[in-house]
Amino acid sequence: DTAVSQTPKYLVTQMGNDKSIKCEQNLGHDTMYWYKQDSKKFLKIMFSYNNKELIINETVPNRFSPKSPDKAHLNLHINSLELGDSAVYFCASSHPPGTGMFFGPGTRLTVL
Amino acid sequence: AQSVTQLDSHVSVSEGTPVLLRCNYSSSYSPSLFWYVQHPNKGLQLLLKYTSAATLVKGINGFEAEFKKSETSFHLTKPSAHMSDAAEYFCVVSDDSGNTGKLIFGQGTTLQVKP
Repeated sequence: DTAVSQTPKYLVTQMGNDKSIKCEQNLGHDTMYWYKQDSKKFLKIMFSYNNKELIINETVPNRFSPKSPDKAHLNLHINSLELGDSAVYFCASSHPPGTGMFFGPGTRLTVL
Repeated sequence: AQSVTQLDSHVSVSEGTPVLLRCNYSSSYSPSLFWYVQHPNKGLQLLLKYTSAATLVKGINGFEAEFKKSETSFHLTKPSAHMSDAAEYFCVVSDDSGNTGKLIFGQGTTLQVKP
């Protein structure tokens, strides 16, 4: 009965590859997010979707493309991976926005 | 623009002694404020939240925080530290200007609890 789940938990890949991270929430929330945590543990929002509609798109390279097939899922696809993409990526959801988020366990991405 | 500043990057306490993690915020309107905790190699868990109701907010695991508008502070406290409290703590403000729920995180404070 996990509230926000992400797969995979760990992802190790070579530079230049394309990879996807999946996220699902069973809380019935309308809004989902992707956050990136860098090596200094700083967290920054990347994207947010509300009912499958993109509402936040921070300054993120075009290589990152979120996809929300329905309001319970928000996947993150990354093209042409670079060394600097290595980080922990957290999915989160909330309802309504601003009331506090539930975070997934994170996906640790390592680009070699 | 909203922002939060966590005044200590690292706090070390002995088990059984009080915990104080300091946070100052900057906001152009009445903010929503949160504290999240991240245990090693784990996800983020909501400890407590302030959303313009009572200024003293009680959270899980014995933590509480007091919203002080005059000092623009939202410090996190616990009367007696437990070994299991050792973790990274984030003070967070909600950027409600667009009603998007976007959270702005502080830099984090590492809490070390010594036996």
